[in-house]
Amino acid sequence: NAGVTQTPKFRVLKTGQSMTLLCAQDMNHEYMYWYRQDPGMGLRLIHYSVGEGTTAKGEVPDGYNVSRLKKQNFLLGLESAAPSQTSVYFCASSFLDRDPRNQPQHFGDGTRLSIL
Amino acid sequence: GENVEQHPSTLSVQEGDSAVIKCTYSDSASNYFPWYKQELGKRPQLIIDIRSNVGEKKDQRIAVTLNKTAKHFSLHITETQPEDSAVYFCAASIPVNKFYFGSGTKLNVKP
Repeated sequence: NAGVTQTPKFRVLKTGQSMTLLCAQDMNHEYMYWYRQDPGMGLRLIHYSVGEGTTAKGEVPDGYNVSRLKKQNFLLGLESAAPSQTSVYFCASSFLDRDPRNQPQHFGDGTRLSIL
Repeated sequence: GENVEQHPSTLSVQEGDSAVIKCTYSDSASNYFPWYKQELGKRPQLIIDIRSNVGEKKDQRIAVTLNKTAKHFSLHITETQPEDSAVYFCAASIPVNKFYFGSGTKLNVKP
């Protein structure tokens, strides 16, 4: 199993450009998440999804949009990139148990995004 | 929302010594506390976790303790080795599966 796969791994954008980051998981997980990681600030939740067709805002959603059209895929979009969005982006997924206790997250390898 | 604070931000120990990293949380609804290790340029990897109905959990050289009353939990690494050098993150999760992370501790184990 590949687990959680993120594409691309690296990308450089100019201010104002748009792009989409793709996250795919093959573990049949219900929950998927997008985080950004900046130096000294840990992981901050951008958006998350509790199932196909549903999304919700996290701590830092401004400037980003997401879609979950298929259970295995979670897309993160930047409509008009800004230098403040330079970061490492991590996707994660987790399982929803029958007894809905919290379950650990599985992370992808990350996408390094630089916006000039 | 939940607020997770983690200390220290950096920790340097001699090989063989113990390392302790502490986290506090604010939301009493948090009931799951995972710890992640992240090596440079790599993904965070789960190393140990604890649920709110348990006070302590151990896995070989690592252990986690939880004090629900005081809302704090700690990671203990004994007999540290150079390969333990990494950034460690604590997290607290409120139902269901919504995670809040600490800011990380950079652990340096000196040979």
